[in-house]
Amino acid sequence: AQSVTQPDIHITVSEGASLELRCNYSYGATPYLFWYVQSPGQGLQLLLKYFSGDTLVQGIKGFEAEFKRSQSSFNLRKPSVHWSDAAEYFCAVGARSSGDKLTFGTGTRLAVRP
Amino acid sequence: DTEVTQTPKHLVMGMTNKKSLKCEQHMGHRAMYWYKQKAKKPPELMFVYSYEKLSINESVPSRFSPECPNSSLLNLHLHALQPEDSALYLCASSQDRGLTGGVSGYTFGSGTRLTVV
Repeated sequence: AQSVTQPDIHITVSEGASLELRCNYSYGATPYLFWYVQSPGQGLQLLLKYFSGDTLVQGIKGFEAEFKRSQSSFNLRKPSVHWSDAAEYFCAVGARSSGDKLTFGTGTRLAVRP
Repeated sequence: DTEVTQTPKHLVMGMTNKKSLKCEQHMGHRAMYWYKQKAKKPPELMFVYSYEKLSINESVPSRFSPECPNSSLLNLHLHALQPEDSALYLCASSQDRGLTGGVSGYTFGSGTRLTVV
């Protein structure tokens, strides 16, 4: 069965600093990988996704993520964080061969220091 | 229209009440989903509808009853809920049923915050 781990429950960065949120997945074949962001009391917004091809994926709001098969990772990065980026970030993995289930990680809460 | 609209935004109901949550999208998506999210937890899949037919039920208790009257509308009927069912209920849609959701992935609504008293 597929699974996804987000090792960091909570991260605080200063505004303007760079950001990297970690995501590790477990799946036998190439999975479909996603990053979603959720502001308090809101639904989830898709930041970016990886299905195949170029392993460096660009998303919305200046985010990017890199798929590293050798490390089973799909880390999310942003070169300069803005106060409005404070939110909960979920990594998710899905695969057609596993019944089309999208499995979410437990999330990383990002706080931004002024 | 690129949104999924959920109503109501907040709902308080007693354990003997019957209520319904509504979800609507006009993006031509043919797959729709209900997720349940407890505080500080990730969303958990409840139901998947594909072309107005129920295709996945994640062993959800029968006090939750989904309905898909047409390709734009998804309801979740609630009856005899328990306090532990209090959560944020999220609806999502995608171009097709595959969980990649087609090239655009899922579009989520902002949810209904349900409190059972």
